[in-house]
Amino acid sequence: EDKVVQSPLSLVVHEGDTVTLNCSYEVTNFRSLLWYKQEKKAPTFLFMLTSSGIEKKSGRLSSILDKKELSSILNITATQTGDSAIYLCAVLRVTSYDKVIFGPGTSLSVIP
Amino acid sequence: NAGVTQTPKFRVLKTGQSMTLLCAQDMNHEYMYWYRQDPGMGLRLIHYSVGEGTTAKGEVPDGYNVSRLKKQNFLLGLESAAPSQTSVYFCASRYHMGDYGYTFGSGTRLTVV
Repeated sequence: EDKVVQSPLSLVVHEGDTVTLNCSYEVTNFRSLLWYKQEKKAPTFLFMLTSSGIEKKSGRLSSILDKKELSSILNITATQTGDSAIYLCAVLRVTSYDKVIFGPGTSLSVIP
Repeated sequence: NAGVTQTPKFRVLKTGQSMTLLCAQDMNHEYMYWYRQDPGMGLRLIHYSVGEGTTAKGEVPDGYNVSRLKKQNFLLGLESAAPSQTSVYFCASRYHMGDYGYTFGSGTRLTVV
């Protein structure tokens, strides 16, 4: 059965810390891995990773995919309280409708 | 450009009542999806559509029906609501080509009492 696992499930850090969120997957017909940030409402798209070893970066956030290890990490440097959110990892499969399988999410709390 | 709009945002139903959730997107996306999100279980796919007039079942379709009569709209119906359907419902859409992630609506919080 296809699955996406995230760790840790919950994390509390102080402002200024650097955090690493992990995502691993066991999915057939892998196409891409997606990261989303969910605050109070809808998830918002962060990154799509398709190629192994190529880092994607957006400000203080960066992510990389390791297809050999079937995993990805999301790094956040110099965390701010505004980074507090649930971070969702998802895998896009090659199917007739591009099925996306979501992990349970990592809840990040950044305290002043 | 509104993106994906869901209505209503909140609703309380009594067991056995019916309702329809509306999802509308103005991005000309082919693919549309309905998810439910429950604590500790992540997002689970209820139904999806790959184009106007087509629908299919996802992981947790029981108790729900959908229709996609127009490309921009995807409706989710609950014929006879049950407390187990208390959840937050998200609609999402995606362009069928290229490396694009989903665009999500803002969600509908449904409580069935």
